[in-house]
Amino acid sequence: EIVLTQSPGTLSVSPGERATLSCRASQTVSSSYLAWYQQKPGQAPRLLIYGASSRATGIPDRFSGSGSGTDFTLTISRLEPEDSAVYHCQEYDTTPSMYSFGQGTKLEIK
Amino acid sequence: QVQLQESGPGLGKPSETLSLICTVSGVSITDYSWSWIRQPPGKGLEWIAFVYYSGRTDYNPSLTSRATISLDTSKNQLSLRLSSVTAADTAVYYCARALFGRFDPWGQGTLVTVSS
Repeated sequence: EIVLTQSPGTLSVSPGERATLSCRASQTVSSSYLAWYQQKPGQAPRLLIYGASSRATGIPDRFSGSGSGTDFTLTISRLEPEDSAVYHCQEYDTTPSMYSFGQGTKLEIK
Repeated sequence: QVQLQESGPGLGKPSETLSLICTVSGVSITDYSWSWIRQPPGKGLEWIAFVYYSGRTDYNPSLTSRATISLDTSKNQLSLRLSSVTAADTAVYYCARALFGRFDPWGQGTLVTVSS
């Protein structure tokens, strides 16, 4: 089973600045199967990024994903107050068929 | 537009079997694959199970002996049964469409509390 470790646990950044969130895997992950989600309090997660770097429908270009192998990054530029949320990374392993999530990073906008 | 709506008992007793339903609208459930995912209060997300449109299923190894996922094509619903529940199964349960290794969209979730 692949373990995803997200860092930092909590990040506090000012509006207009950039936030960089990390997701590290215990084994190599196929970039095709690395996704990021945003979850606001009381809401379900929303897909932001899939295939490590492709934005989901309707996601602004302030959100970008990068990385390969075991190290992946979600970058949010020009932060807005509405970006305050918990961000989860997720991977899919084909053999055996298994999905794993990171523990989440809480982003606070000062 | 694909929409998912979970429904469940809200409260369950230890050792009982939990049954959840996810009603899908906007698409036929036979056109895609689907999953159940849960989130204990204040904690992270845990994938539970996956059902292919063909009916094939996959389970999280930590839950495989207790979880059963299935499709009801006549009602365009997917379901989850979780047996021998304990307080550790208290969580918000989400259903989601599974697409090439990712989940999109999600239902709004249903909270299930296991308590005597």
